[in-house]
Amino acid sequence: KAGVTQTPRYLIKTRGQQVTLSCSPISGHRSVSWYQQTPGQGLQFLFEYFSETQRNKGNFPGRFSGRQFSNSRSEMNVSTLELGDSALYLCASSLGPGAEANTEAFFGQGTRLTVV
Amino acid sequence: AQSVTQLGSHVSVSEGALVLLRCNYSSSVPPYLFWYVQYPNQGLQLLLKYTSAATLVKGINGFEAEFKKSETSFHLTKPSAHMSDAAEYFCAVNSGGSNYKLTFGKGTLLTVNP
Repeated sequence: KAGVTQTPRYLIKTRGQQVTLSCSPISGHRSVSWYQQTPGQGLQFLFEYFSETQRNKGNFPGRFSGRQFSNSRSEMNVSTLELGDSALYLCASSLGPGAEANTEAFFGQGTRLTVV
Repeated sequence: AQSVTQLGSHVSVSEGALVLLRCNYSSSVPPYLFWYVQYPNQGLQLLLKYTSAATLVKGINGFEAEFKKSETSFHLTKPSAHMSDAAEYFCAVNSGGSNYKLTFGKGTLLTVNP
């Protein structure tokens, strides 16, 4: 069974540009969450999608957005990049509503974004 | 709102020694608790999760954690450290309900000395 796949693994962008990251969840998983990991702030929740709907959003500016497709694949977009957006972006998939709340999330290897 | 506190950003042990990584949580509802491990340049891998069936939870690689409601703690232990255990460890709580949102502690970097 394939795990969570994130592409690309590494990205270098210039300030002011925009970037799109992709995440393919585990087959059968319908919930996809995104997290930002930085040395200073640690792991912070960005948003969660289920059935193409954003159900929960973290405390990030509107430059951070996402979407989910009918096949559960998800993308996140960051517009007008800032130096502080440099981070490891992690995607996690889980079964979604109906599963027990202690069902674990499975993480991808992440996309390392560097803004210069 | 849920929160997680991991005491000690860096723990160093000798190979073969006991590993103890501390996690305290704050939750207004029954918590759903997890421990994850992260190796350099990798994603997060689940070590174990708390289920209400047992307060002592066994995970992979010889790790276990004990849920203590009175102390709001979920500390991670391993009797004998191995060099391959060197990594960063994160305690997390799920907000539960119909939404899936993990709140993580700041992480504890475990160093294992030969």
